[in-house]
Amino acid sequence: GEDVEQSLFLSVREGDSSVINCTYTDSSSTYLYWYKQEPGAGLQLLTYIFSNMDMKQDQRLTVLLNKKDKHLSLRIADTQTGDSAIYFCAERSNTGKLIFGQGTTLQVKP
Amino acid sequence: AAGVIQSPRHLIKEKRETATLKCYPIPRHDTVYWYQQGPGQDPQFLISFYEKMQSDKGSIPDRFSAQQFSDYHSELNMSSLELGDSALYFCASSFWESGANVLTFGAGSRLTVL
Repeated sequence: GEDVEQSLFLSVREGDSSVINCTYTDSSSTYLYWYKQEPGAGLQLLTYIFSNMDMKQDQRLTVLLNKKDKHLSLRIADTQTGDSAIYFCAERSNTGKLIFGQGTTLQVKP
Repeated sequence: AAGVIQSPRHLIKEKRETATLKCYPIPRHDTVYWYQQGPGQDPQFLISFYEKMQSDKGSIPDRFSAQQFSDYHSELNMSSLELGDSALYFCASSFWESGANVLTFGAGSRLTVL
């Protein structure tokens, strides 16, 4: 079945890099996504990657995909206090809906 | 750019009452999704519509129903409300044939059941 797993918490110092990891089960997923959620707010799309790619870079964000191990990661370079939020990994099902992981809370210390 | 509009943003109801949430998708988007997010939880898929027809169904209670209208807006109707229905309800829309089918989420409707 479809399932997405993430570590629940990550704490980094401002200026360091953050790496958030995710594993998924559906090998037929064509796209994988990263969303950011600030407290009490909606889900903001950060980036997505097509399953035939292994890397995608977008400014401070780098997504790595290991399709063999069904492992996805999001690297945030030069992490800022404004990056503190919950980050959700999601896989797309064949009906288009997204299956979300539990979310990783990123805490950035000054 | 136009976003997904949800109303109301906040709603307080008593147990056993009924609530209706509305969602206005991004213009030209043909698919609408509803999600429920409990406190500290990840968003759980409820139901989706493509071109006004139900396209997928998730863990939506029988007390809930939804539809998409001719103008593509959608409504989620919740009856016999229970305390456990207190959550953030998100609507998202997408353009199915866009390849990546990126879902754009609204700001959410926070339902509190007392």
